[in-house]
Amino acid sequence: QSVLTQPPSVSAAPGQKVIITCSGSGSNIGTNSVSWYQQLPGTAPKVVIYDNNKRPSGIPDRFSGFKSGTSATLGITGLQTGDEADYYCGTRDSSLSGVVFGGGTKLTVL
Amino acid sequence: EVFLVQSSAEVKKPGESLEISCQGSGYRFPTSWIGWVRQRPGKGLEWMGMIFPADSETRYSPSFQGQVTISADKSITTTYLQWSSLEASDTAIYYCARSGFSGYGMDVWGQGTTVTVSS
Repeated sequence: QSVLTQPPSVSAAPGQKVIITCSGSGSNIGTNSVSWYQQLPGTAPKVVIYDNNKRPSGIPDRFSGFKSGTSATLGITGLQTGDEADYYCGTRDSSLSGVVFGGGTKLTVL
Repeated sequence: EVFLVQSSAEVKKPGESLEISCQGSGYRFPTSWIGWVRQRPGKGLEWMGMIFPADSETRYSPSFQGQVTISADKSITTTYLQWSSLEASDTAIYYCARSGFSGYGMDVWGQGTTVTVSS
């Protein structure tokens, strides 16, 4: 059971938009910045959003992040088949003095 | 450019010990937290713990406290993850990652080390 809660799977058609949710508590999302990671099959995770809503260099603006209270969301617009991956949210947990992840969401682009 | 390069895949028997490594380059190694993440076959990411190489301050997830040891050698910009007695349930891919963003966000990841424990 992960500390952060994500839906196991989401799906949408190419060109459409999808939103992935991540729910936590006051000791993690409520007081710390959230990052989102994309893991393509057979590869290491890669950060796509950090500090709740910032994109690293090289990440297209089709990816966006938002945080409110103890929840965060990752939005992906203009879906492409290359976006099919597992997506994880992660943040610091102040009560654990460490990192917590969500269980991951598998994105399928139909 | 910043890199984290991990040691090669390992195949071990239950009860054996193991140490895998993660070497950083392209940045000031001592002053960034390096974490270790487990991913069992077909499962999600699990944070195991992290180390601050400058003073070797170490933090562990309660799930991994006492099960593994994380250490670092600043002189060769390398962090280590060690087991004293492996179990079959330790079979997984292990990633190291640098926490370069706030909230311990991980900006650089190693390529992963596959550990297989089987009799």
